[in-house]
Amino acid sequence: DADVTQTPRNRITKTGKRIMLECSQTKGHDRMYWYRQDPGLGLRLIYYSFDVKDINKGEISDGYSVSRQAQAKFSLSLESAIPNQTALYFCATSAQGSQPQHFGDGTRLSIL
Amino acid sequence: EDQVTQSPEALRLQEGESSSLNCSYTVSGLRGLFWYRQDPGKGPEFLFTLYSAGEEKEKERLKATLTKKESFLHITAPKPEDSATYLCASLSGGSYIPTFGRGTSLIVHP
Repeated sequence: DADVTQTPRNRITKTGKRIMLECSQTKGHDRMYWYRQDPGLGLRLIYYSFDVKDINKGEISDGYSVSRQAQAKFSLSLESAIPNQTALYFCATSAQGSQPQHFGDGTRLSIL
Repeated sequence: EDQVTQSPEALRLQEGESSSLNCSYTVSGLRGLFWYRQDPGKGPEFLFTLYSAGEEKEKERLKATLTKKESFLHITAPKPEDSATYLCASLSGGSYIPTFGRGTSLIVHP
């Protein structure tokens, strides 16, 4: 089983719909992150959380919200989806300190 | 502001043709330099962490090195299965949030 699991893997929806992407991890890491990846733009940080009671905005948080339900669960919501939010979304986790991130396999989101 | 620049953007090699990928960084107080491999439709897979200038790490045909301004990922005698996008990321002591480069897309032809 994957250490970092994202659901759904693919989603097609319409403009204006509310969407939730979920991430769960079995690595026991305190830190969790949400990124989006667009061709030519690389990975961009949306939100991050260093523990259950800590939520921080990343460089592109507008139009997104998050919830850290437990140490192992971190969900990303798009309250009213728009076409330019079409992208590949990744969840990542890391241990405290100068440790690398570990990524899920992503959610491919298309907004029509 | 921390910056990471990877070059080249794309690289095509023949099987067995060794080469290097570059990752230049400007950070205040480097805490770590990470290399990842990303296959199409998959999340980045962690390869190496380098913590100080002069450090080297190896795994199969890959060797990562670090200086005070850049890191190199050397690929020796690559095989087609080494084809992927390689990402590097720097971690500074200020925020503990990695800064990613845009990656190098490597294609190895048989």
